[in-house]
Amino acid sequence: DIQMTQSPSSLSASVGDRVTITCQASQDISNYLNWYQQKPGKAPKLLIYDASNLETGVPSRFSGSGSGTDFTFTISSLQPEDIATYYCQQYDNLPPFAFGPGTKVDIK
Amino acid sequence: EVQLVESGGGLVQPGGSLRLSCAASGFTFSSYEMNWVRQAPGKGLEWVSYISSSGSTIYYADSVKGRFTISRDNAKNSLYLQMNSLRAEDTAVYYCARSGGILDYWGQGTLVTVSS
Repeated sequence: DIQMTQSPSSLSASVGDRVTITCQASQDISNYLNWYQQKPGKAPKLLIYDASNLETGVPSRFSGSGSGTDFTFTISSLQPEDIATYYCQQYDNLPPFAFGPGTKVDIK
Repeated sequence: EVQLVESGGGLVQPGGSLRLSCAASGFTFSSYEMNWVRQAPGKGLEWVSYISSSGSTIYYADSVKGRFTISRDNAKNSLYLQMNSLRAEDTAVYYCARSGGILDYWGQGTLVTVSS
């Protein structure tokens, strides 16, 4: 099965900062990589699909890139409402659809 | 508006059973693949099971294979998860999520607690 890793596991940044999270797959998954945001006590929300496509209604400060095994998620200007845990998830070929361990983002 | 509403969670003893339901509305349920995803308290997301739109193709995580059964009733716009032989490590919030690999809509979740 494909394993996903994320780094860092947590980060603290100031409002307006650029925030970058990386995700690595244990084997080539092409661009079958999604990013989700989960706020405390809430269900996850899809932000980015197929590595770089912004889900409808998601602010443009969120972006994603990468292919193969290495992927990057970026918040171009961190806002207070972006405090959440972010997960990558692969869906190459068949299930299981593995999630990364998550990155908790806080305001400094 | 797409809505997914889970129900059926609760407290159950180890070895017991529980059936979760997910009521779908706001879209053509019979056209979409569905999944169950769970989250143990304070932990990350774990994919549990997948079912195709017709119900003919099903997958499970190794951690639940042989104990959990996913099913759907397209006439009732409902998704189910029958959970048997429950263990303490199955304690989690269980979410239903729409679509195949791109989980574009999620329910609010239902909490399952396995404890004596």
